[in-house]
Amino acid sequence: GENVEQHPSTLSVQEGDSAVIKCTYSDSASNYFPWYKQELGKRPQLIIDIRSNVGEKKDQRIAVTLNKTAKHFSLHITETQPEDSAVYFCAASRYTGGFKTIFGAGTRLFVKA
Amino acid sequence: DVKVTQSSRYLVKRTGEKVFLECVQDMDHENMFWYRQDPGLGLRLIYFSYDVKMKEKGDIPEGYSVSREKKERFSLILESASTNQTSMYLCASSGMGQGAIYNSPLHFGNGTRLTVT
Repeated sequence: GENVEQHPSTLSVQEGDSAVIKCTYSDSASNYFPWYKQELGKRPQLIIDIRSNVGEKKDQRIAVTLNKTAKHFSLHITETQPEDSAVYFCAASRYTGGFKTIFGAGTRLFVKA
Repeated sequence: DVKVTQSSRYLVKRTGEKVFLECVQDMDHENMFWYRQDPGLGLRLIYFSYDVKMKEKGDIPEGYSVSREKKERFSLILESASTNQTSMYLCASSGMGQGAIYNSPLHFGNGTRLTVT
């Protein structure tokens, strides 16, 4: 079945450094790739998303890149801050009559001050 | 702002009980989803629905069923709760997306932490 693999499971960076989280997906029909941030005890919230007709998207310190050929997409956070510490989830979505959305296992990001 | 409301924040049930988890959204969204979240496993899709009375199995439907009698409400049912169903359950909804080709962002509820003893 469809699968989304996410790496690393844990990432620790110094404040001000960059963080990169990578995901691969198995279903070539996937065409929408959102990223969610989940702070402790809170619900996941969308931080950025990308559609399959776009290779890259940026929003201030956050960017996402998509390589459809390799079925690979990545989240880049620059100039990390302590408040970026959270669990980040990638996801892949495809249309099957409804929109089936599969998530990766998550990356716990620690930003050390 | 989209609001997705789950009826209970915490639930404790006994093995063998029938359990209902309720979710209501207020944005007239077509798509609704149930996930369970376990440490190290991320969010795993149980069931989703794209219209009233329509349902599709996700990756882990065994032991669960769902009901969508009204557009705004999506219920998850554990027919006979077992200890391995102890977990955080998250409901989400999304609109139709651009031209029904691309999905739109999921909006999550606060979650229901279910403990089965």
